[in-house]
Amino acid sequence: DGGITQSPKYLFRKEGQNVTLSCEQNLNHDAMYWYRQDPGQGLRLIYYSQIVNDFQKGDIAEGYSVSREKKESFPLTVTSAQKNPTAFYLCASTRGQGMNTEAFFGQGTRLTVV
Amino acid sequence: AQKITQTQPGMFVQEKEAVTLDCTYDTSDPSYGLFWYKQPSSGEMIFLIYQGSYDQQNATEGRYSLNFQKARKSANLVISASQLGDSAMYFCAMREGLGYQAGTALIFGKGTTLSVSS
Repeated sequence: DGGITQSPKYLFRKEGQNVTLSCEQNLNHDAMYWYRQDPGQGLRLIYYSQIVNDFQKGDIAEGYSVSREKKESFPLTVTSAQKNPTAFYLCASTRGQGMNTEAFFGQGTRLTVV
Repeated sequence: AQKITQTQPGMFVQEKEAVTLDCTYDTSDPSYGLFWYKQPSSGEMIFLIYQGSYDQQNATEGRYSLNFQKARKSANLVISASQLGDSAMYFCAMREGLGYQAGTALIFGKGTTLSVSS
């Protein structure tokens, strides 16, 4: 079945560590996105990529980094510079064509700083 | 200023009743798209319905319909005949057309938690 796979589902990070969240899609979608969800805050855009080897900062990119070396993969690294990384992270993708194109989401990764 | 405003943090409804979840949006672009997503407690985001700014009729998908009032900049989701499985968080989102490129990201509201009781 086609879809978006995020791993791991739960992730624990110690203070000062970098961690990488995986996002893989087999939908042949061009565009991919990372959102952060905090209670009462909705989804906020971290980074997005419209094409391989290109990506743009979203509204809350500080303390995060991404790469897009393959169409199928868009990993997110939460660096030690991110002061409050505990949150639920959602990866999404779209075909990249048309205003009405809905985003497909993965199951999410819950990151906790311990 | 928020682009998407959902003013109801929580809504409560009984089974088989209809419920309306409010969404107002802010854009100066004449071309935009509005989306509603459902997020159950498991966390995944499920696409429900879409309304384009130029669509003449309100969108409908099964028990979901969108009450689109363009002049008021509102796009309320109406769920008819609520079911226990409708209990979830609901998000309104927008894609703006200004400077639109393929892959322009969705902007989300803060969500409304819907609780359906028997």
